[in-house]
Amino acid sequence: QSALTQPASVSGSPGQSITISCTGTSTDVGAYNLVSWYQQHPGKAPTLLMFEGSKRPSGVSNRFSGSKSGNTASLTISGLQAEDEAEYYCCSYAGSALYFFGTGTWVTVL
Amino acid sequence: QVQLVQSGTEVKKPGASVKVSCKASGYTFSSFGISWVRQAPGQGLEWMGWISVYNGNTNYAQNLRGRLTLTSDISTNTAYMELGSLRSGDTAVYYCARDRRGSGSYFDYWGLGTLVTVSS
Repeated sequence: QSALTQPASVSGSPGQSITISCTGTSTDVGAYNLVSWYQQHPGKAPTLLMFEGSKRPSGVSNRFSGSKSGNTASLTISGLQAEDEAEYYCCSYAGSALYFFGTGTWVTVL
Repeated sequence: QVQLVQSGTEVKKPGASVKVSCKASGYTFSSFGISWVRQAPGQGLEWMGWISVYNGNTNYAQNLRGRLTLTSDISTNTAYMELGSLRSGDTAVYYCARDRRGSGSYFDYWGLGTLVTVSS
């Protein structure tokens, strides 16, 4: 098993919506509804955006939403804002008490 | 509020070991596990392993088994990550994170990170 696959970069204009995909396999993303998403600004620690695929922790904007279909999870950012420019990582539980992170996606706000 | 405070920057020579601490506050330490995640310069996040603070059970990423040891001390609310036989590829920022294993399997609070540089 290895890292989950994410696009290297996604961009959008302020106010637009973008979607980041996270593709795994039938033994991780496809097997469990246990995908989480993290936002990381340069030089900072990651912060939790989403857990169990589509649940937002308190304090996270409802502009962020998550979903899953088969072996692919997705994070959608609606009403894109300048502060959303950051790196985004998915993470999936993979059985046998292991986790795998995605390769990361840099979001550019044009 | 929940806080995870990590120890400071380390510089080690190849072949040496490093031990990083992570002191928790703001919650009952024994009620949650701790995972460790590292990030090499310019690279993505890599999950390293997990420890159950409650009973000391551990799980390690396959590529680190044999070099990684996770421990915790309930008396001081501190988790430790020790990595041995260091090589240049271990240069990274090391994060501890509270692990919500068994209730969603995610990391809800993170430390600020500890930079470990391996260089001769």
